[in-house]
Amino acid sequence: GENVEQHPSTLSVQEGDSAVIKCTYSDSASNYFPWYKQELGKRPQLIIDIRSNVGEKKDQRIAVTLNKTAKHFSLHITETQPEDSAVYFCAAQDNNNDMRFGAGTRLTVKP
Amino acid sequence: DADVTQTPRNRITKTGKRIMLECSQTKGHDRMYWYRQDPGLGLRLIYYSFDVKDINKGEISDGYSVSRQAQAKFSLSLESAIPNQTALYFCATSDFVGTGGPGDTQYFGPGTRLTVL
Repeated sequence: GENVEQHPSTLSVQEGDSAVIKCTYSDSASNYFPWYKQELGKRPQLIIDIRSNVGEKKDQRIAVTLNKTAKHFSLHITETQPEDSAVYFCAAQDNNNDMRFGAGTRLTVKP
Repeated sequence: DADVTQTPRNRITKTGKRIMLECSQTKGHDRMYWYRQDPGLGLRLIYYSFDVKDINKGEISDGYSVSRQAQAKFSLSLESAIPNQTALYFCATSDFVGTGGPGDTQYFGPGTRLTVL
């Protein structure tokens, strides 16, 4: 089955700096790659996703890139703000429609 | 997001007890999922159901069972709870449309915090 690895496990940045979180996946047939944000005590919520036929997608300060050849995808957050502090999860959905999640990255944005 | 609800929200039980966690959704989605979240391990899939007649094991199904009573309801049972099943449990739904379409997005419930003593 699919295996998703996520790095780093923790990330601390200064407000206004950029943050990058990287994930790799093992199943070349995976075709859907969402990113979820989970604030403390809350449910995971989708912030951005990318399909396998697209290399990059942007939504305001958030962007995701996908390299199918290398089987990795990344989340980029620019101009970080304290409210961006949360745990971020990447995921990959394979042909069996299983969604496998990375272990999460705890992002702290220092004011 | 009240479209996906879970009951109870918190539960403390003892080893060996049978526990049922319930999930309901008003999104009209066909697909429902149960995940377990442990610190440092992310979200791991326990079971998923593509419709009321379809139940599939996920990554960590041992010690769990599920029931899809209706399109809108999906229950998770621990037949004989053990301490290492202490975790945060999430239900999720999606409206899969195939080939990585918009419906693949999963919407999560608020979670059930289960403690097994």
